[in-house]
Amino acid sequence: DAGITQSPRHKVTETGTPVTLRCHQTENHRYMYWYRQDPGHGLRLIHYSYGVKDTDKGEVSDGYSVSRSKTEDFLLTLESATSSQTSVYFCAIRAGTEAFFGQGTRLTVV
Amino acid sequence: AQSVTQLGSHVSVSEGALVLLRCNYSSSVPPYLFWYVQYPNQGLQLLLKYTSAATLVKGINGFEAEFKKSETSFHLTKPSAHMSDAAEYFCAVSYAGGTSYGKLTFGQGTILTVHP
Repeated sequence: DAGITQSPRHKVTETGTPVTLRCHQTENHRYMYWYRQDPGHGLRLIHYSYGVKDTDKGEVSDGYSVSRSKTEDFLLTLESATSSQTSVYFCAIRAGTEAFFGQGTRLTVV
Repeated sequence: AQSVTQLGSHVSVSEGALVLLRCNYSSSVPPYLFWYVQYPNQGLQLLLKYTSAATLVKGINGFEAEFKKSETSFHLTKPSAHMSDAAEYFCAVSYAGGTSYGKLTFGQGTILTVHP
C-alpha cells in the first residue's frame, strides 16, 4: 500500500458544512495527488502537490482546496459541501514512474 | 492535453476465454501508459506500465499490453480468463515533465465479468 493512509474511510455530512479529508504517507514522497472517482468518469484529478506548500489545481478543482504543511500530510478540504461532491476520494503518491493509491474515502453529502 | 478512451464500459467473457480490454489515448508528447485494476471497495492496483522501453509489456496476474504508436492504442489482454479477474480496469496516461510530473488522466473504466 506504499504507506498511504486515508482518513476517515467513510463520512456522511450535511450540505453546506466544511469537510477535511486527510492523506498521510510514511515514505517521504515528494508528489501527492487527490482524485475523485465517479461512475462513468473514472478518476479525475482534483489537486496535486509537488512539495511542501507547493500545490496546483487539477481538472475538477472547483469547490476544493488543499494544504501541505509537511511532507507526509496532504489535506483536501471541501469548503461548503454540496451533493455533487458525493464521491469516493483517493489519495495517491508518485514513486518513480508509478502512482500508488490509498484505500479511498467514501464521502456522502446529504 | 491528454485523454484516454476505453471502448466498452462492460466486457463479459467465459472462464478460460481471451480477455481483451481496449484503450486509446491522445497525447501531445510521448506518453507513459498504465493499466490499473480495482476490486470492489478497494484502491487501485497497478497491473502494468509502458514507459518508452519495450512496446510489449507484461504485468501481474498474466496480463500484458502492447503499445502501438501508429494506432495510439494500449490494449490489455490475457490469454485465459479466471474468475478472480472479475474487477474494474482503468487505463491511464501521463507524461514526465516539470511540476506536473505524474499527473494521471484516466479512462472511464471497464468492468470485466467472468462467467463460469
